[in-house]
This record gives sequence, structure tokens and C-alpha cells, in this order.
Amino acid sequence: SYVLTQPPSVSVAPGKTARITCGGTNIGSQSVHWYQQKPGQAPVVVIYYDSDRPSGIPERFSGSKSGNTATLTISRVEAGDEADYYCQVWDNNNYRYVFGTGTKVTVL
Amino acid sequence: QMQLVESGGGVVQPGGSLRLSCAASGFTFSTYAMYWVRQAPGKGLEWVAFIRYDGGHDYSADSVKGRFTISRDNSRNTLYLQMNTLRAEDTAVYYCAKSSSGGSGFMDVWGNGTTVTVSS
Repeated sequence: SYVLTQPPSVSVAPGKTARITCGGTNIGSQSVHWYQQKPGQAPVVVIYYDSDRPSGIPERFSGSKSGNTATLTISRVEAGDEADYYCQVWDNNNYRYVFGTGTKVTVL
Repeated sequence: QMQLVESGGGVVQPGGSLRLSCAASGFTFSTYAMYWVRQAPGKGLEWVAFIRYDGGHDYSADSVKGRFTISRDNSRNTLYLQMNTLRAEDTAVYYCAKSSSGGSGFMDVWGNGTTVTVSS
């Protein structure tokens, strides 16, 4: 089955940059979406189609892709960015949607 | 504003059935595909099912195939998830989410979820 692998956790100091990776076979040929989920809340999309940002999401959030890895970058991290982050793709070979394993971002 | 409100969750015994509903408002429901996504306690997100804007195509995860059925009533702006032969591992918060398009897209609006507990 198709698996998207993320690091379980990332720790970052306020004002620094956090990078969250999402690895998967052939991810380079798929569109990647990123969701933020704060405790007790529903997920919110922060990046769609690899690098587009919805209105209302700070410019500090950006997405990129290289080879078999997609990356969500959070610049100038703030305490309010502390959350779980998930990548997601559409596996068109098996007609299913796949979420990454999730990364907990901790602001030190 | 666009809003999704899930209902129908509760406690059910293993082998039992439950039907979840998701009431949509603030957008033209009949023109967007919809999803169900679940999250077991302390775990990550798991996609459950997808249905196209007109109900013409639907897909479900292997873990629920043959037991869960996604459907929609565009006249009532409501999405459904019929869950049969429930197992303990189906215990989760179930979210409905709106697609960014009539077909596959990203999940741009989410409900607050409804909790399903399968336990004897």
C-alpha cells in the first residue's frame, strides 16, 4: 500500500524555520496538500497543490517538492504554529486518498 | 460562510450499524465532491470515503470497503455515511470535508467531527 512518511516530531525555537518532509514513491508526479491540526480542532489546509496558499494563511507557510520528497516550510515560527501537520495525496493508481503519518511541531 | 455539521455519532456494539450525516450550508453543495475522514484516539488522519458532486462516482478505503457506504442527497444538502458491521477499530472522530472541486481536489472546508465509539 502507498505510504507517505513524515518525521514524528520537529522542534523549533520561536523565530526560526521549521521544515517538515513528506516522502513517498512517485510523489513528484502527484499533487501534495498540507493540513494543520491543533489539539481538539478539525484540520485546516495550509498548502494545496504543492505550493499554493489559501487566503488567510500567513506567507510564512510555504510548500515545495523535489524528487520523492515534499516539504512544508514554516518561517519565523510562532507559538501559535504548534500543531500536528499532515501531507496528503491522491493515489490515482489505487483510487484512494492517502494521508502522511503526521508530524508534531513543538515550539520551544 | 461555508459550514459543515456532522451528526449521528454515538456508542454502538460491535457488529452494529450507524448512519452519520453531514449538513452543508453556505455553498452550492451539489457542485462539490465530498469526503469522510476519521481519526482514531491519539492517531493520525485516515481517509474513509469520497463521492463525486453528482454521486456518480465513489471510492472507499480498503479498511471499510463492503461495510461503509457513502451517499449524498443534493436536494437536502446532506452527505451520509452508512456504517455496518462496526468493529472496535472503527472507533474514531469522523469528519466530513468539502472538496475544492466537483471531483478530486483538496479538502478546503471541514466539519467539527462526530465521535463514534464501538464497544460492548
